[in-house]
Amino acid sequence: GESVGLHLPTLSVQEGDNSIINCAYSNSASDYFIWYKQESGKGPQFIIDIRSNMDKRQGQRVTVLLNKTVKHLSLQIAATQPGDSAVYFCAENFGTSYDKVIFGPGTSLSVIP
Amino acid sequence: DGGITQSPKYLFRKEGQNVTLSCEQNLNHDAMYWYRQDPGQGLRLIYYSQIVNDFQKGDIAEGYSVSREKKESFPLTVTSAQKNPTAFYLCASKPLAGGDYNEQFFGPGTRLTVL
Repeated sequence: GESVGLHLPTLSVQEGDNSIINCAYSNSASDYFIWYKQESGKGPQFIIDIRSNMDKRQGQRVTVLLNKTVKHLSLQIAATQPGDSAVYFCAENFGTSYDKVIFGPGTSLSVIP
Repeated sequence: DGGITQSPKYLFRKEGQNVTLSCEQNLNHDAMYWYRQDPGQGLRLIYYSQIVNDFQKGDIAEGYSVSREKKESFPLTVTSAQKNPTAFYLCASKPLAGGDYNEQFFGPGTRLTVL
């Protein structure tokens, strides 16, 4: 079936370095993508989103890149901080009301002080 | 404060018992979702609902039941038919498309342990 997957299940980075988390999706009908951050024992929280008519979107210290040709999504975190340590999920949305959501398996980011 | 709440935070159940997890939102969102998360795993969809009195099965609905009698509430019952119910359960809500933002808002989760 269609699914969203992540290339790297775990990622360790030095504090202050940039982090890149990757995501592959397979549903060509998906046209809205979201990155979520989940801290231990809590529910996921929205970080940034991007629509399929864009290839880049920037937020505060985060950038999402979308490559529709290869169905690839990435999240870049600039100057990674200890508070960025969490599991990051990408999610693809489709359906007439974006009611269909598929989550990737997640990447665990550990920031080394 | 607007938000989505789940209760209880921790729940213990004996084998063979049914248990109901609460999810309430005051965000006026139409769609609500239940996910199951196992340690080190992603989110798997159990059930979702777009409108009151209507809901659809997700990928792992067996052993679970839901109701949507009110827009604000979407309780999940874990029945004795669910063979391995110990997990972290997350409820989410979202507006249906139309605005600028369509992300899901998640509750804090309920950790269910079967003794």
